[in-house]
Amino acid sequence: GQQVMQIPQYQHVQEGEDFTTYCNSSTTLSNIQWYKQRPGGHPVFLIQLVKSGEVKKQKRLTFQFGEAKKNSSLHITATQTTDVGTYFCAGREGSSNTGKLIFGQGTTLQVKP
Amino acid sequence: DTGVSQDPRHKITKRGQNVTFRCDPISEHNRLYWYRQTLGQGPEFLTYFQNEAQLEKSRLLSDRFSAERPKGSFSTLEIQRTEQGDSAMYLCASVRSGSGELFFGEGSRLTVL
Repeated sequence: GQQVMQIPQYQHVQEGEDFTTYCNSSTTLSNIQWYKQRPGGHPVFLIQLVKSGEVKKQKRLTFQFGEAKKNSSLHITATQTTDVGTYFCAGREGSSNTGKLIFGQGTTLQVKP
Repeated sequence: DTGVSQDPRHKITKRGQNVTFRCDPISEHNRLYWYRQTLGQGPEFLTYFQNEAQLEKSRLLSDRFSAERPKGSFSTLEIQRTEQGDSAMYLCASVRSGSGELFFGEGSRLTVL
């Protein structure tokens, strides 16, 4: 079945350094979403990418969807302590916006002030 | 928009007992998902509904798990004859028609002794 893998599992950075997490799917995705989960909290939606090669930015966060629609990345520029949490990618197979969403195991970001 | 509500927030039970969790989605969200999350892992897909129809159920889910959404509004997830391996956070999420974004509840934490 479909698998979504993320690397690295953990990342410790000094405040102000950049951070990147990578997501790879075993199958072609119709779209990919990113979520952030703060310690003790629930996942919160960040963004959805749909088109091959798509790049979207949200302030210091840059999201990319690969040309083959099988991989994605999230890059944070100049991390802040508020960026602490676990970042999950989640992908859907097929061509629709419905159906099950498969999550990666997440990348946990720690930021040292 | 009062958010996704889950009840109870915490449940401690003895092995072999049955437990039921309830999820109240955001009003007028037609899709509802159940996920299970253990420490250090991403949310694991269990099942999802579109209105009252259960459209997909994970093959990983044993026959001890059942979910319903009888009137297309709230949903229940029942686990029969609980085992220690069922200990996890059970997350519910709802989705508005035409959107792919999952809105998660705070979760129901199950501990099986």
